[in-house]
Amino acid sequence: DVKVTQSSRYLVKRTGEKVFLECVQDMDHENMFWYRQDPGLGLRLIYFSYDVKMKEKGDIPEGYSVSREKKERFSLILESASTNQTSMYLCASSPSFGRAYEQYFGPGTRLTVT
Amino acid sequence: SQKIEQNSEALNIQEGKTATLTCNYTNYSPAYLQWYRQDPGRGPVFLLLIRENEKEKRKERLKVTFDTTLKQSLFHITASQPADSATYLCALDPGGYQKVTFGIGTKLQVIP
Repeated sequence: DVKVTQSSRYLVKRTGEKVFLECVQDMDHENMFWYRQDPGLGLRLIYFSYDVKMKEKGDIPEGYSVSREKKERFSLILESASTNQTSMYLCASSPSFGRAYEQYFGPGTRLTVT
Repeated sequence: SQKIEQNSEALNIQEGKTATLTCNYTNYSPAYLQWYRQDPGRGPVFLLLIRENEKEKRKERLKVTFDTTLKQSLFHITASQPADSATYLCALDPGGYQKVTFGIGTKLQVIP
């Protein structure tokens, strides 16, 4: 079974703090994604990566950055957390683009910024 | 602009009946359409994928249809059970090196 793990289930941070969210997948997938999910807005793509050291902006990249130094690990960084970044953050992975592949999601990190 | 519409209202259905969820889209030409299930506080789980040249796909009690003329997909759960209660998301995949776009989901409640 594909396993996608996220470093924390719940996280509380203060405004202005630098926040790191870690995601690890164990199926040698090329593609990895970071989403945030908010009530009424659904899943919105922040960043994705289709290879090590590669990254592409999604729909809402402002205020976020990412890092992919190893194939299995994709990190989301909030440089200076703000209250409007309080949300559920979901990481996902999938095999290569070019074919129809489903995404495998992690359990999510519920981040609260106070 | 591209738009995906799912019934944002909750759908309540009696146990044993067939639940039908709708996904409509505009200004979009997906090569594939995917359906996911999401339980509260958890990540979505993939259920089914249908290609643009397929009319219908089945998996156990699940059936998905895809009408590219109507720009609509229907997701059916036959003989529904309380354990089917969850939020169901549709996702449009244009194929190639393009990102998938998710709908906001429909919450299904199966009443015993």
